[in-house]
Amino acid sequence: EIVLTQSPGTLSLSPGERATLSCRASQSVSSSYLAWYQQKPGQAPRLLIYGASSRATGIPDRFSGSGSGTDFTLTISRLEPEDFAVYYCQQYGSSSWTFGQGTKVEIK
Amino acid sequence: QITLKESGPTLVKPTQTLTLTCTFSGFSLSTSGVGVGWIRQPPGKALEWLALIYWDDDKRYSPSLKSRLTITKDTSKNQVVLTMTNMDPVDTATYYCAHAWLLPFDYWGQGTLVTVSS
Repeated sequence: EIVLTQSPGTLSLSPGERATLSCRASQSVSSSYLAWYQQKPGQAPRLLIYGASSRATGIPDRFSGSGSGTDFTLTISRLEPEDFAVYYCQQYGSSSWTFGQGTKVEIK
Repeated sequence: QITLKESGPTLVKPTQTLTLTCTFSGFSLSTSGVGVGWIRQPPGKALEWLALIYWDDDKRYSPSLKSRLTITKDTSKNQVVLTMTNMDPVDTATYYCAHAWLLPFDYWGQGTLVTVSS
């Protein structure tokens, strides 16, 4: 089973700042089958990025994903008030899918 | 428009078996490549992937829970059922079902909170 480790656990930033979230896999993620989700309190997660770098439908271009192999990054270029939330990475390239433990982006 | 909704008991006793149903619309589980999965989230904790069933009845399970899980589909009813045996208080969580087709989970249900307590 591929273990995903996200860092940092919490990111304290101000609106307008850039956010950089990391997701590291215990082994190479096949074909960059790595996704990112955003979750706000009381809501189901929302798919942001798939295939490591492709934005899902309706996702603003301030969200971008990069990486391959075992190291992946989600970048939010300029934080909007609605971006403060928890972000999870997920790999779906193996027979057993897994999520990371999440990074909380909070208002500084 | 794709929608999914989870249903099942809100309270189960320790050692009992949990049965959850995901009823969906807007897609068919007989379409090539389509899958429906289950994910759970204990209060205040991270998401945990549980199981996934594909259009061709291929089934995948979390290795740590595989012995306790069974996922099945009823294409005619547009439903996917997850059973989890030997429930324990640590299984208290919100359980989600979600759609996958050529992408990971792009549509999610609202989730259902299941509490395990005697």
